[in-house]
Amino acid sequence: QVQLVESGGGLVKPGGSVRLSCAASGFPFSDFYMSWVRQAPGKGLEWISYISSRGTTEYYADSVRGRFTISRDNAQNSLFLQMDNLRADDTAIYYCARDQSVVGDFDYWGQGILVTVSS
Amino acid sequence: EIVLTQSPGTLSLSPGERATLSCRASSSAYVGWYQQKPGQAPRLLIYGVSNRATGIPDRFSGSGSGTDFTLTITRLEPEDFAVYYCQQYGDSLITFGQGTRLEMK
Repeated sequence: QVQLVESGGGLVKPGGSVRLSCAASGFPFSDFYMSWVRQAPGKGLEWISYISSRGTTEYYADSVRGRFTISRDNAQNSLFLQMDNLRADDTAIYYCARDQSVVGDFDYWGQGILVTVSS
Repeated sequence: EIVLTQSPGTLSLSPGERATLSCRASSSAYVGWYQQKPGQAPRLLIYGVSNRATGIPDRFSGSGSGTDFTLTITRLEPEDFAVYYCQQYGDSLITFGQGTRLEMK
């Protein structure tokens, strides 16, 4: 069955960096676009980035462009999010999600990983 | 960036009733709907305006066109009380609405 498992979250200081990973299994990872979506405590969903199946195309929300970098390793069935210059308003649960159709139809989600930015 | 506005913010209904949730886009959009329960990841309900995702009961339906979209849940079940988000893809960017909380009366 399809599984997405995020790791790498935790407490980080403002201005610091963290790298999230998402381990995928149960489907041909290299065939699918993937995204990161976050949710601040008690707030709604915010899409932040997606990457094409081969990793050749990336897009970012304005709120993270220039600070976050999405990447993937298809040989390792893994998705990554490098988060730099973190701010308090980056505190959120971060989900990786599979796009079933290249147009943002997220049919599978990980369980989410909490990133807390605080001094 | 396409902005999605959902209404109402909160909808109070009883099991067995019909729920109608609205999503208005700032320009023409390709819309999907998600359900999220506390402590869980979102679940895809509807994609491409009106297509039910795998395993979604037929009491959930999506409709609309252009900038106005609707998620309808006929005959509410106790497990349907949750937060619902619409989402759109356009110009290589993805945005979500702010959510509608469906609560049990």
